[in-house]
Amino acid sequence: EDQVTQSPEALRLQEGESSSLNCSYTVSGLRGLFWYRQDPGKGPEFLFTLYSAGEEKEKERLKATLTKKESFLHITAPKPEDSATYLCAVHTTDSWGKLQFGAGTQVVVTP
Amino acid sequence: KAGVTQTPRYLIKTRGQQVTLSCSPISGHRSVSWYQQTPGQGLQFLFEYFSETQRNKGNFPGRFSGRQFSNSRSEMNVSTLELGDSALYLCASSLASPDTGELFFGEGSRLTVL
Repeated sequence: EDQVTQSPEALRLQEGESSSLNCSYTVSGLRGLFWYRQDPGKGPEFLFTLYSAGEEKEKERLKATLTKKESFLHITAPKPEDSATYLCAVHTTDSWGKLQFGAGTQVVVTP
Repeated sequence: KAGVTQTPRYLIKTRGQQVTLSCSPISGHRSVSWYQQTPGQGLQFLFEYFSETQRNKGNFPGRFSGRQFSNSRSEMNVSTLELGDSALYLCASSLASPDTGELFFGEGSRLTVL
């Protein structure tokens, strides 16, 4: 059975304190791995798509990387506005149109 | 550019009733997906539609159904509501396929079942 596990569940950072979130996956065939950000009371907002091991994507203070078993979302010098729940999701070869989401990591950045 | 619009935003129902939720995708987007979000289970896939055809369905009972219209607007229906159906129901649209993972989500319809 396909599984997506995110860690830690919650992360509290000081402004400027860099850290990484982990998304490990066990799937039959990976078509793509995606990162989303969700603010309270809002729907998830797309951040990145990664397709193959070794791939990296960057956007402002965020950088996503992918290996054959896991993905990392690195937050460099975070600001309070980076506070959100970060979700990773996978799209697999045997489940067209369906994204399987992890439980998310809730990040709080304090000034 | 208008985003994904979901109506109603909040609703309260009692057990045994049914509910219909509506989703208007971004103009030009032909794929619409529905997800259920709860604190315990997180985001769970319900179904995905493209050009009025359901292409995939999640592991939910038959009480959960949906459809897509020719203008890409979509509705989902839950019949014989149970307490456990209380959740945030999210609709997402994409140009042609969720394959890229770039889904645009609405703000959701929060359903409370009493």
